[in-house]
Amino acid sequence: EADIYQTPRYLVIGTGKKITLECSQTMGHDKMYWYQQDPGMELHLIHYSYGVNSTEKGDLSSESTVSRIRTEHFPLTLESARPSHTSQYLCASAPGQGANTEAFFGQGTRLTVV
Amino acid sequence: AQRVTQPEKLLSVFKGAPVELKCNYSYSGSPELFWYVQYSRQRLQLLLRHISRESIKGFTADLNKGETSFHLKKPFAQEEDSAMYYCALNSFGNEKLTFGTGTRLTIIP
Repeated sequence: EADIYQTPRYLVIGTGKKITLECSQTMGHDKMYWYQQDPGMELHLIHYSYGVNSTEKGDLSSESTVSRIRTEHFPLTLESARPSHTSQYLCASAPGQGANTEAFFGQGTRLTVV
Repeated sequence: AQRVTQPEKLLSVFKGAPVELKCNYSYSGSPELFWYVQYSRQRLQLLLRHISRESIKGFTADLNKGETSFHLKKPFAQEEDSAMYYCALNSFGNEKLTFGTGTRLTIIP
């Protein structure tokens, strides 16, 4: 079934650890996005991609990095996690044809850094 | 730079009363506007987009370029409308889908 998947759903990790949040979609979408959702539920765009080998920074400065080696995969990496990285991270994808297409969201990863 | 503003973080409305969730945007080009909704324990999902000019679950939204607004309206609120609502903007060229801060709508029985 065509969908967008995020793993893990929940992650508790110690300060200084390297982590990778996985996002995969089976819809063949060109565009993919990462958002950070804070406790007040605001959504902040941190990274996006138009397609393979394209990545752009979003509006919110983030210490995370992303890669887009394959169309279906858009992982987010934190080299050294800190408590300030504690948040909900949402991944989304959208078809590449135009700006009025619907974005589809994953279930999210709730990250807690202790 | 593109920006979306939702002035109300919280909005409570009695069942059967009209609902209006405000959204204003700033963007120098020609924007595409959306409303997304997140029900409790569900994924964020599209509610409607201005280009479709359709009514979804009784909700409508009109793009007012003069006032740079895209307010979401429903004439009679229902309890199942309680959710988090986000206004979003995308733009041809940079395709950067930007969200507002969200409004939590609570329908009072």
